[in-house]
Amino acid sequence: KAGVTQTPRYLIKTRGQQVTLSCSPISGHRSVSWYQQTPGQGLQFLFEYFSETQRNKGNFPGRFSGRQFSNSRSEMNVSTLELGDSALYLCASRPTGTGLGETQYFGPGTRLLVL
Amino acid sequence: GENVEQHPSTLSVQEGDSAVIKCTYSDSASNYFPWYKQELGKRPQLIIDIRSNVGEKKDQRIAVTLNKTAKHFSLHITETQPEDSAVYFCAASSARQLTFGSGTQLTVLP
Repeated sequence: KAGVTQTPRYLIKTRGQQVTLSCSPISGHRSVSWYQQTPGQGLQFLFEYFSETQRNKGNFPGRFSGRQFSNSRSEMNVSTLELGDSALYLCASRPTGTGLGETQYFGPGTRLLVL
Repeated sequence: GENVEQHPSTLSVQEGDSAVIKCTYSDSASNYFPWYKQELGKRPQLIIDIRSNVGEKKDQRIAVTLNKTAKHFSLHITETQPEDSAVYFCAASSARQLTFGSGTQLTVLP
């Protein structure tokens, strides 16, 4: 099976702009989670989608939003970009997120630089 | 919700020595504990995991132990090599939530 893919891999934006990142999970996986990773920081959970519904949400402002499509692909949007939004954005998928002991697989990430 | 604490945040060992990273969790309902390795500029990769019905699991130089009573689990790497240098994350999963620790930067000195 193909792994989790993310596009684009690199992105440069300026403050105030908005950005949309895309994630395609492993075939058959219906749960997609998004994380923000900044230098020296861990994996900060943004949100999780399952069957087109946001199931869990981390502690991020409303500028961060997402959605999931019927084919389980997910997009993440950040509006009114700030310098502090520069980070590696990782998505991860697992089969359902409700089963016990489901392994979560990460995509390669999108590196966002806000100037 | 679940809270996972990971220690130490940085760890330096001599090549050939062992490394131990420890994590504690708060939710007694958590029953799956994966460990991820993230090399610089790359995605986190699952290296080993353990389920709550098992106390220890080994895979070559890597082992994980779980103490459900104390709610802690540990990663053990023996005979460390320079390529083991990376950031390691522990995580704890209940039925619906996967929570990560803050990561440990492991440096193996030649």
